[in-house]
Amino acid sequence: GQQLNQSPQSMFIQEGEDVSMNCTSSSIFNTWLWYKQDPGEGPVLLIALYKAGELTSNGRLTAQFGITRKDSFLNISASIPSDVGIYFCAGIYSRDMRFGAGTRLTVKP
Amino acid sequence: DAGVTQSPTHLIKTRGQQVTLRCSPKSGHDTVSWYQQALGQGPQFIFQYYEEEERQRGNFPDRFSGHQFPNYSSELNVNALLLGDSALYLCASSYGTGTIAFFGQGTRLTVV
Repeated sequence: GQQLNQSPQSMFIQEGEDVSMNCTSSSIFNTWLWYKQDPGEGPVLLIALYKAGELTSNGRLTAQFGITRKDSFLNISASIPSDVGIYFCAGIYSRDMRFGAGTRLTVKP
Repeated sequence: DAGVTQSPTHLIKTRGQQVTLRCSPKSGHDTVSWYQQALGQGPQFIFQYYEEEERQRGNFPDRFSGHQFPNYSSELNVNALLLGDSALYLCASSYGTGTIAFFGQGTRLTVV
């Protein structure tokens, strides 16, 4: 099946630092999504990417759809304490959506 | 505009029992997908309903079944519960299959 490898598994950073995480797959996807999940809540959509090479920003968040359609990255600039949570990448191909295992982000004030 | 709503929010069941979880999709959405999320893991796809039919299914046993109603709401049923079924069950809705999904807050199921 289409497996997504998300890295790193966890990150511990200082408030104000920039963060980068990525997702790779051996299969291609038509759409890449990035979600954030707070404890006990459902994932919330942050950014959606629809075309290979596309670079999209949402405030301090920037994500890119890899040229090969097999990868995507998410950057968070100038992190703040409320950025804490688990970030998931998800890829859609045809009617199939698959999730990465998540990156757990901890921000130290 | 209400988003995706799930009920109940928490549930405790005994091994061998059966459970039904409910989901109302976001207004305008016609497709509902169900996911199981174990602690520390990403969501795992269970199945997707569109036009009241199961359109896709993940790698879950037949103990997991579902239904979609004419108003697009959906139920997830799990029979003969096992301890390993303890997880956060997430419902996601979308307009059409293979499009961006919006998630509910989940139902935390604990099997004891």
